[in-house]
Amino acid sequence: EAQVTQNPRYLITVTGKKLTVTCSQNMNHEYMSWYRQDPGLGLRQIYYSMNVEVTDKGDVPEGYKVSRKEKRNFPLILESPSPNQTSLYFCASSPISEGTDPYEQYFGPGTRLTVT
Amino acid sequence: GENVEQHPSTLSVQEGDSAVIKCTYSDSASNYFPWYKQELGKRPQLIIDIRSNVGEKKDQRIAVTLNKTAKHFSLHITETQPEDSAVYFCAALPFNFNKFYFGSGTKLNVKP
Repeated sequence: EAQVTQNPRYLITVTGKKLTVTCSQNMNHEYMSWYRQDPGLGLRQIYYSMNVEVTDKGDVPEGYKVSRKEKRNFPLILESPSPNQTSLYFCASSPISEGTDPYEQYFGPGTRLTVT
Repeated sequence: GENVEQHPSTLSVQEGDSAVIKCTYSDSASNYFPWYKQELGKRPQLIIDIRSNVGEKKDQRIAVTLNKTAKHFSLHITETQPEDSAVYFCAALPFNFNKFYFGSGTKLNVKP
């Protein structure tokens, strides 16, 4: 089954404790992205990756890091989480190769993060 | 960068009525405009999209229209049903395909 998976789905942590949220897709998509969703603000892009070893900042990258060492994985790293990073996080992937619809994004199930 | 504004933020309609959600964008280079539906506690899912070379697209009860000159696009849902109740997001993608810009969302409530 074609899917995007995220882990963990729920996480409660304390300020300053480094954490990683994993994202994996099995559709061989080139494009992957991380969003955060906050009430009234919609989905805001944190980082995106056009392919392996190619990453770039979205609109709200401060406090986050990403890496793309393999095509299928795109982990989100919070080196020193703060309470303002409490949010719902979504990973997404999209194909951009020739011959396919290059634009549809497939979202993961979401990770609800609480930083106290 | 691109700026996408979405209205209204909440919309309540009677079952069977039509619902219209509007979005405006600022970057004339944007050429792809998807609409996502997000049910409570679920992930966003694409319901319809339109490219800048098309003015209108329809899929059963859902349609999207695009006015490139005015830089706005709209989602139209006809014969609404309670299962249409969800949050709807519009988005815009510039032609160089990197960042997706989302609207702030519209919470649609369809009353039986």
